[in-house]
Amino acid sequence: GQQLNQSPQSMFIQEGEDVSMNCTSSSIFNTWLWYKQDPGEGPVLLIALYKAGELTSNGRLTAQFGITRKDSFLNISASIPSDVGIYFCAAPDPFGNQFYFGTGTSLTVIP
Amino acid sequence: DVKVTQSSRYLVKRTGEKVFLECVQDMDHENMFWYRQDPGLGLRLIYFSYDVKMKEKGDIPEGYSVSREKKERFSLILESASTNQTSMYLCASSLVRNTEAFFGQGTRLTVV
Repeated sequence: GQQLNQSPQSMFIQEGEDVSMNCTSSSIFNTWLWYKQDPGEGPVLLIALYKAGELTSNGRLTAQFGITRKDSFLNISASIPSDVGIYFCAAPDPFGNQFYFGTGTSLTVIP
Repeated sequence: DVKVTQSSRYLVKRTGEKVFLECVQDMDHENMFWYRQDPGLGLRLIYFSYDVKMKEKGDIPEGYSVSREKKERFSLILESASTNQTSMYLCASSLVRNTEAFFGQGTRLTVV
């Protein structure tokens, strides 16, 4: 199935730094989702976005639904060691029941 | 909170065995999905179901079948397990089209 283009693939940052990652697509979506997955666990939903231009926060996480509806961004402020994991974006197919997923961003936080 | 529960966290099965992976969701969601996740390949859709007794093939259905007899339960069946089916299996559910998906905790299956 189609995959979303997610970047960067991996990040190594110092504790306390801010993090940014993004997802792009050639297709328009009505919903953008961001998940975090810890090793050996299932993905956990962080933020759901439903409207172009929408900016939504969840604690230190902020995500935006791009105005073109073809992209989304996730920012993590003041990173801490427990932010370590793989973050990936997802978007439901507007015309079907399936989901498209980004390839994931692996985040390492150095204390 | 939505809860999606997979019956096993870890399974070890022998080649040729019939394997059942069970998934239950507690939020009356219409859609349920089975994915497998492998390093470098991301999440790949095996099957999904949008209603009781309804199923649709995903990207990699070969070697798998599914059953949805009740709305809350979606089972993945490996008819004759093979070593190339060693993987992390993830179940997910969503209310309707264009809404978020919620995942179970995953089942790490090893076929020996």
